[in-house]
Amino acid sequence: SQELEQSPQSLIVQEGKNLTINCTSSKTLYGLYWYKQKYGEGLIFLMMLQKGGEEKSHEKITAKLDEKKQQSSLHITASQPSHAGIYLCGAAVAAGTASKLTFGTGTRLQVTL
Amino acid sequence: DAGVTQSPTHLIKTRGQQVTLRCSPKSGHDTVSWYQQALGQGPQFIFQYYEEEERQRGNFPDRFSGHQFPNYSSELNVNALLLGDSALYLCASSFAYGQPQHFGDGTRLSIL
Repeated sequence: SQELEQSPQSLIVQEGKNLTINCTSSKTLYGLYWYKQKYGEGLIFLMMLQKGGEEKSHEKITAKLDEKKQQSSLHITASQPSHAGIYLCGAAVAAGTASKLTFGTGTRLQVTL
Repeated sequence: DAGVTQSPTHLIKTRGQQVTLRCSPKSGHDTVSWYQQALGQGPQFIFQYYEEEERQRGNFPDRFSGHQFPNYSSELNVNALLLGDSALYLCASSFAYGQPQHFGDGTRLSIL
């Protein structure tokens, strides 16, 4: 079965600093999804990457997909307290975005003032 | 435009009981997936419904069953509850192809 490994598991950064979260898959990626979760709440969709080399940005968050390395990264520029939460990467196990998703265990981000 | 809605938000049951969780998908979505998220873990896929049929299933026992209605809403049923079933149950909806899955806020199920 496909496994996703996220690093780091947790991160504490000072407000205004940049940070990067990595997600590595044990198998071929058919699509990579980034979600954010507040403790005990639902997942908020951030970005979807489907093609090797694809890069997407939304506000201060940028995600990239390296298909050959079966890896994705999420970069936050000039972090803010609102960025705090758990970031989860999810991978489609087959082609088509209706495929079931396998998730990593998440990266817990704290942003200090 | 209402997103994915789940009910109830919290539920407490005892071992051996049965529970039904409900999900209304985002408007325009016809596919519903259910996930179980244990504390400190990522969500684990339970099953997916499309056109009122179970299309895919994860590694969960038959105690977990579901249903999708003609209006695309869905139910997750769990029989003979075990302590290990305590988790956040998430519903996600999507249009068959072309859009990502959108999640509800989940139902927190506690088994005593």
